Amino acid sequence: NAGVMQNPRHLVRRRGQEARLRCSPMKGHSHVYWYRQLPEEGLKFMVYLQKENIIDESGMPKERFSAEFPKEGPSILRIQQVVRGDSAAYFCASRRGQKNTEAFFGQGTRLTVV
Amino acid sequence: GESVGLHLPTLSVQEGDNSIINCAYSNSASDYFIWYKQESGKGPQFIIDIRSNMDKRQGQRVTVLLNKTVKHLSLQIAATQPGDSAVYFCAERVTGFQKLVFGTGTRLLVSP
Repeated sequence: NAGVMQNPRHLVRRRGQEARLRCSPMKGHSHVYWYRQLPEEGLKFMVYLQKENIIDESGMPKERFSAEFPKEGPSILRIQQVVRGDSAAYFCASRRGQKNTEAFFGQGTRLTVV
Repeated sequence: GESVGLHLPTLSVQEGDNSIINCAYSNSASDYFIWYKQESGKGPQFIIDIRSNMDKRQGQRVTVLLNKTVKHLSLQIAATQPGDSAVYFCAERVTGFQKLVFGTGTRLLVSP
């Protein structure tokens, strides 16, 4: 049973370009979270999704950021018109639907905006 | 809003010692807690969890203690090994919400 898969592992974008980060949850997991981490800091919640639904996006910036988790395929975190401040590690986690079950993280995508 | 903080940003121990990593949380409505280990360049790795109806839970070489009275969580690692060197995060989930709130982490350095 493969773990949470994120790709790409490293992504370099120029300012103004778009970044698309992908996350395939573990088999049987229908809940996905996206977190952002700056160096030497903790993980900051961005968004929580279930299949085809955004449940909690309270951590998402109001502009340029969007997320989806379609019925088929991976969850996508999309950042439009990237700026240098978007440079960070973005982690995805997934869990089963039951309440209070552990969430498993992927290895992250490290976005660098130049 | 909720916040989770740690008392010690860096903890240095000798191999074989027992390590204790502490975490304070602020939301009394949190009902589920997890400890994660994060090695450099990797994603957080689940270590152990505990529900608010418990005050202690043991795993392999690790024990989590929960004191709801003072809103304090700790992770004890027995016979610490160099491979335990990493950053450790506690995370909490507030009842009725689904997101995990993370603290800033404690770096554990184990010397041989």
